Amino acid sequence: DGGITQSPKYLFRKEGQNVTLSCEQNLNHDAMYWYRQDPGQGLRLIYYSQIVNDFQKGDIAEGYSVSREKKESFPLTVTSAQKNPTAFYLCASTRTGGRDYGYTFGSGTRLTVV
Amino acid sequence: KQEVTQIPAALSVPEGENLVLNCSFTDSAIYNLQWFRQDPGKGLTSLLLIQSSQREQTSGRLNASLDKSSGRSTLYIAASQPGDSATYLCAVHTGGFKTIFGAGTRLFVKA
Repeated sequence: DGGITQSPKYLFRKEGQNVTLSCEQNLNHDAMYWYRQDPGQGLRLIYYSQIVNDFQKGDIAEGYSVSREKKESFPLTVTSAQKNPTAFYLCASTRTGGRDYGYTFGSGTRLTVV
Repeated sequence: KQEVTQIPAALSVPEGENLVLNCSFTDSAIYNLQWFRQDPGKGLTSLLLIQSSQREQTSGRLNASLDKSSGRSTLYIAASQPGDSATYLCAVHTGGFKTIFGAGTRLFVKA
């Protein structure tokens, strides 16, 4: 079955450390997204990518970086510049543009600063 | 600026009850609206997607309606079951790659 795989499920980060969250999809979707979810808030967009080797900042990109070297993969790096990284991170994908097609989400990665 | 609101934030109902979840948005210029279910610690599962030209969509015991003029969508759940307990989120796609998510309604169905 097609879907989105996020790993790891849980991740712990020490102060000053960079960590990378993995997102892989086998849906042949063009667009991929990273969202951050905090308790009691709606999802907030970190980065999105329409095609390979292209990505755009979302509403809260500071302290994060991404790459899109393959259509199937869109990893997110949480850098030491992100001062409050503890949150639930969700990766999603859509067919081109998302206008007529809805989102498919992965199962999420919970990141905690220790 | 598009804003999406879901009220109430939490809802508790007895098993078997029919219920309605609400989603309000401030700008009627939308492309589509999507309803999701989220179980604790899990990702979002798509329930229904309504295009801007549609009035409603149905899947099993679920029915979602869309009224752009009033900026409202409702998710109707018939004959609720304990397994329906989850958080329900709506998401409004406003154009390009911009989608605004509501904070969700946490539903608890008591056996």
